[in-house]
Amino acid sequence: EAGVTQFPSHSVIEKGQTVTLRCDPISGHDNLYWYRRVMGKEIKFLLHFVKESKQDESGMPNNRFLAERTGGTYSTLKVQPAELEDSGVYFCASSQDFIYTFGSGTRLTVV
Amino acid sequence: QKEVEQDPGPLSVPEGAIVSLNCTYSNSAFQYFMWYRQYSRKGPELLMYTYSSGNKEDGRFTAQVDKSSKYISLFIRDSQPSDSATYLCAMVGGSNYKLTFGKGTLLTVNP
Repeated sequence: EAGVTQFPSHSVIEKGQTVTLRCDPISGHDNLYWYRRVMGKEIKFLLHFVKESKQDESGMPNNRFLAERTGGTYSTLKVQPAELEDSGVYFCASSQDFIYTFGSGTRLTVV
Repeated sequence: QKEVEQDPGPLSVPEGAIVSLNCTYSNSAFQYFMWYRQYSRKGPELLMYTYSSGNKEDGRFTAQVDKSSKYISLFIRDSQPSDSATYLCAMVGGSNYKLTFGKGTLLTVNP
């Protein structure tokens, strides 16, 4: 069974630019989550999709972040425009219940 | 007060030692208690989970939950260098299975 795939694995962009992160969940997993870890802090919830619908986006920091999940399959997380404080590791996870499988993350550095 | 507190360490032990990792929590609504292991540049990987007070054993690993004290522990017996990783406690409350993480404890097992 293929795991959760995220790309790119690493992205370095300048402040003000746009970056799009992609997540391919495990096939058949209805739940897809985005989490983020900024340096020195806990991994924190950003949002939750059930199929193509946003179930909970209470963790999204502000309106510079936009997440989509096309047809209930892969998901993208766009940051526009990026700010320095957006640097961190963005994890995607998928599940059928409370047992998650995480991807390896995208390390985003905004300079 | 943070919902989940975990001492980030670092913790360094000799091979064969018994390791004890702990978290406290404040939210009584948490239903599932998880331990994740994260190797460098990888995503968190679920080690164990439990939903009731008491002990749960899996090989060299034992998870312990004390709901009355809001305290969870992970014990690793006969620790190996391959156990060197960051260990994260995480808790789930509510129907959307959103995880609340501790900061993680960096463990190094020295040969």
